[in-house]
Amino acid sequence: SQQGEEDPQALSIQEGENATMNCSYKTSINNLQWYRQNSGRGLVHLILIRSNEREKHSGRLRVTLDTSKKSSSLLITASRAADTASYFCATVISGGSYIPTFGRGTSLIVHP
Amino acid sequence: ETGVTQTPRHLVMGMTNKKSLKCEQHLGHNAMYWYKQSAKKPLELMFVYNFKEQTENNSVPSRFSPECPNSSHLFLHLHTLQPEDSALYLCASSPRDLGDEKLFFGSGTQLSVL
Repeated sequence: SQQGEEDPQALSIQEGENATMNCSYKTSINNLQWYRQNSGRGLVHLILIRSNEREKHSGRLRVTLDTSKKSSSLLITASRAADTASYFCATVISGGSYIPTFGRGTSLIVHP
Repeated sequence: ETGVTQTPRHLVMGMTNKKSLKCEQHLGHNAMYWYKQSAKKPLELMFVYNFKEQTENNSVPSRFSPECPNSSHLFLHLHTLQPEDSALYLCASSPRDLGDEKLFFGSGTQLSVL
């Protein structure tokens, strides 16, 4: 069954603005991961945050995790046209098979 | 490049054809996966192989037949497909370290069934 659900489904912003995407999930997790997919291509792993972590940074990316609310957010600061892509969260369930389960994704368009 | 190569990139086949998708990883990983990506739907896990043994079969119809001859190669054999099987088929690999299962994806095979 689907575990993570991204929100919003689509996001359109201007270059230079920040983009925030959210992910909610239903059961306890071992870790949560964010991936990016350019149109018609494979997914690329961006960042992994474990259940005992609250925030991680990687370049212009900031990920937060709130296990009490079962939610995570991905913030892309100072967005660029090249950030245009779909972004997916994937959860690895505690006590499960350690296989990431993906949501439907957020489609981000950054206008130059 | 992610170290995971899929061929072909595009495939058009009739419902009576038999074809195969190929995936090869050069990362020394022990686990390989097939996912199906259809428009407006979450990625669907199809099969997982760990050390060449199938560990997950997510209720996939028998017209999809996986094969994993070694830890570096994964195939998906297709026969008598339906138009609703048209999708992007993604292969992925991972180290299979427990608790750190980030996946490395290939670019996918865009399949169209006529």
